[in-house]
Amino acid sequence: QPHLVQSGAELKEPGASVKVSCQASGFTFTNYGFTWVRQAPGQGLEWMGWISPHNGAIVYAQNFQGRVAMTMDTSTTSVYMELRSLRSDDTAVYYCARGTSIAVAQDPWGQGTLVTVSS
Amino acid sequence: ELVLTQSPGTLSLSPGERATLSCRASQGVSSGYLAWYQQKPGQAPRLLISGVSRRATGIPDRFSGSGSGTDFTLTISRLEPEDFAVYYCQQFGDSPRALTFGGGTKVEIK
Repeated sequence: QPHLVQSGAELKEPGASVKVSCQASGFTFTNYGFTWVRQAPGQGLEWMGWISPHNGAIVYAQNFQGRVAMTMDTSTTSVYMELRSLRSDDTAVYYCARGTSIAVAQDPWGQGTLVTVSS
Repeated sequence: ELVLTQSPGTLSLSPGERATLSCRASQGVSSGYLAWYQQKPGQAPRLLISGVSRRATGIPDRFSGSGSGTDFTLTISRLEPEDFAVYYCQQFGDSPRALTFGGGTKVEIK
C-alpha cells in the first residue's frame, strides 16, 4: 500500500536552510504529485506548495515564494522541500502528502518532520 | 484569496452523540475539491472525505459530508471514543492557485 517516509527531526539556527525528504513506496511515483504542508506548534495546517513527478509542475504558495524550493528524484522515488533563511516562526512539523493533482485531496501523508529553529 | 471558516471552534459532545461541523468558503468553490481531514495529537492528518461526500478507503460510514457552493458540512452520526480529534476542511482556490485549510474544529469529550 502507498506509504511516505520522511527524514528525521532537524535543529537549525536562524538564517540557515533545511532540506526535508519524503520517500514514496507502494505506488508508481510518476503517476502522482506531492503537497507540502506545515503545522506550527498548536496551530492549524498551512499549505506550502506542490510538486508533480507526473508532469514536472511545481507551484509554491505565495507566503513562501523565493524562500522554498521543491525538488524530486525519480531514481529514489523521493521528493524534497528546502526552506531557506529560517526564522524562529518556521518552527513547525512539515508534512508531505500524495495527491493526483494540486487541487484534490491528499492521501496518504508522511509521518511529519519537526524542524526547530533556535539559536 | 479563498478563506475557509470552520465553526464551531470547539464542539463538546458525549460518545454516541451526533457531531455537525461547518466549513464556509469566502467564495463559491468547485465541489469536486472539498475535503475533510481528521488529526489526532502527535499524528499526521488523515483523509476522511474528498469531493464533498466521498469517504476515503477504510473510513466508517458514520462519517458523511455534504454541501455545495460556499457551505459544507461534516457529520459524525454517532461519536465513538476514537473520533475525538481536530477536523480540518480543505479546498483549492484558483486565484491565486493555492490549497487552503480551514482553521479546524476540535471535537472534545464533554
